[in-house]
Amino acid sequence: KAGVTQTPRYLIKTRGQQVTLSCSPISGHRSVSWYQQTPGQGLQFLFEYFSETQRNKGNFPGRFSGRQFSNSRSEMNVSTLELGDSALYLCASSLDLGEDGYTFGSGTRLTVV
Amino acid sequence: GNSVTQMEGPVTLSEEAFLTINCTYTATGYPSLFWYVQYPGEGLQLLLKATKADDKGSNKGFEATYRKETTSFHLEKGSVQVSDSAVYFCALSNFGNEKLTFGTGTRLTIIP
Repeated sequence: KAGVTQTPRYLIKTRGQQVTLSCSPISGHRSVSWYQQTPGQGLQFLFEYFSETQRNKGNFPGRFSGRQFSNSRSEMNVSTLELGDSALYLCASSLDLGEDGYTFGSGTRLTVV
Repeated sequence: GNSVTQMEGPVTLSEEAFLTINCTYTATGYPSLFWYVQYPGEGLQLLLKATKADDKGSNKGFEATYRKETTSFHLEKGSVQVSDSAVYFCALSNFGNEKLTFGTGTRLTIIP
């Protein structure tokens, strides 16, 4: 079956711009989570959505937002980009509570210049 | 809160050597424990998991046992291959707090 699909794979944006990243989970998975990976901070949890509702949120500023659609696809948005937002953004999906593990996509590499 | 402490890397081994990557955790309740692997330029792949004390997760020759008494989940492999070169992450998740808390990752390089 198809895995988790993230688009685009690479993005270059300018400071102050905004960006939208997309994630299509595995068919039947209703939970979608987003993580930011940087060399300095490692893997940090952004937020998690289940059935179109944000169920959990990490410690990121309000510039980072997300949503989930009725087909479980999810988007995350970062407004007023800063240089420090350059990172690999990973999306993960799971059936429900994640105790059986999360399946990750290949990520979107965002570079802010 | 939850936290995961992983063995500092990088780790360099010769092919066919024995591998251990240490992982300890702090969590409330009874978390599920995971090892993920990340190859260059890719996302994370679930390597193995364990959901309760004394469970042993295994996959592709890798093993890890959920030790509640020592709050550990060490990753082991009896004979590593060059293709095992990657970054390995230990992680946990808790029921009611559905997110993964990751360790810092351990970069493993296997030399032929």
